Amino acid sequence: GQQLNQSPQSMFIQEGEDVSMNCTSSSIFNTWLWYKQDPGEGPVLLIALYKAGELTSNGRLTAQFGITRKDSFLNISASIPSDVGIYFCATNTGNQFYFGTGTSLTVIP
Amino acid sequence: EPEVTQTPSHQVTQMGQEVILRCVPISNHLYFYWYRQILGQKVEFLVSFYNNEISEKSEIFDDQFSVERPDGSNFTLKIRSTKLEDSAMYFCASSSGGYYGYTFGSGTRLTVV
Repeated sequence: GQQLNQSPQSMFIQEGEDVSMNCTSSSIFNTWLWYKQDPGEGPVLLIALYKAGELTSNGRLTAQFGITRKDSFLNISASIPSDVGIYFCATNTGNQFYFGTGTSLTVIP
Repeated sequence: EPEVTQTPSHQVTQMGQEVILRCVPISNHLYFYWYRQILGQKVEFLVSFYNNEISEKSEIFDDQFSVERPDGSNFTLKIRSTKLEDSAMYFCASSSGGYYGYTFGSGTRLTVV
């Protein structure tokens, strides 16, 4: 299967700080998705990107589809405690989705 | 808001036993999926199902696994003879075909002892 590498693997930040994480692949994709997973729950879609260079926001979240089509970035501004969770990038070929290795975010109040 | 419902939330089974994990997808969705997440690892695709047949499957989805949509509302994953390494969270998802319609259930935690 496709390998999507996310970095950093984990982050510990103070409430109010901004967060940046990224996802890279050796393959080119036409779609990048970002999901958040709370403990014991299924992933929930945050942002979907469909075009190279696209920058899309969803509240305090902003994601970008890299120009090379091999990477994507997610930024969270002014973090709050409920941002805690694991963030996964994902992409697809056909009906099969591939998920990244995940970035675990801990927000310290 | 429509949900994908999975039952049971936690299943403990003995190695070698058969298990059936159940899912009720969102009612007007046409594409159904099973994913697996071993503790602390990423979510992995198992199988997609459309028009009453498997459309894609991963190398994880071997002969021990099967899926069925027995009655038009349920979507099940059967593992015939469970192994210790089958212990994981299993997520069902459904989609209308667009990415925003791709909804995950809360998962079934399978523990094989």
